[in-house]
Amino acid sequence: EVQLVESGGGVVQPGGSLRLSCAASGFNFDDYTMHWVRQAPGKGLESVSQINWDGSDTYYAASVKGRFTVSRDKNKDSLYLQMTSLKTEDTALYYCARAAFGGNSYGLDVWGQGTTVIVSS
Amino acid sequence: IQMTQSPSSVSASVGDRVTITCRATQAIGTWLAWYQQKPGRAPKLLIYTALTLHSGVPSRFSGSGSGTDFTLTINNLQPEDFATYYCQQTDNFPPTFGQGTKVEIK
Repeated sequence: EVQLVESGGGVVQPGGSLRLSCAASGFNFDDYTMHWVRQAPGKGLESVSQINWDGSDTYYAASVKGRFTVSRDKNKDSLYLQMTSLKTEDTALYYCARAAFGGNSYGLDVWGQGTTVIVSS
Repeated sequence: IQMTQSPSSVSASVGDRVTITCRATQAIGTWLAWYQQKPGRAPKLLIYTALTLHSGVPSRFSGSGSGTDFTLTINNLQPEDFATYYCQQTDNFPPTFGQGTKVEIK
């Protein structure tokens, strides 16, 4: 079964750090660009970051650039999001998602269940 | 690229046809996807490249459009279709989403 499972969310104070993980299974992880998408409580979807198949190309939303770092480990079939200098507006449910057909043009066809990040003092 | 959906919400009955529109601030060809999200669940891909149904998606869903204006149509609305729908441009990063359209039971 194709599956993505996120972990690492929690409650952190403003200015703090957190590392999210996403474990992939059921497909050849190396073949796919991967994304992080977040959803603030009661709000819509926001693209946060993406990383290509071998990690050589990464992109970040303006709202997180310089604070978040996306990476992947092919040996562990895992995707990561290192978040630093967290702000209250980073509070959200964070999803990892797979780019359909490996590329960026066909939407996101597999999503995890999400992991919740709460930034609060 | 900003994506604007309309309406923000729509009330409909089982069996109705529902149409949701999505407009991009610049031309994106047919690089557009549609998603369905139910409360407490992750989004599901419905349509990509504006009109191609994702595997397993019922044929009552259809998409159209190109350039800046796109439409998602749900024919013969079923109880399981009551959800929030998002468009997303996949032309360039960041792959921005519309604000969502909630389809509610009338």
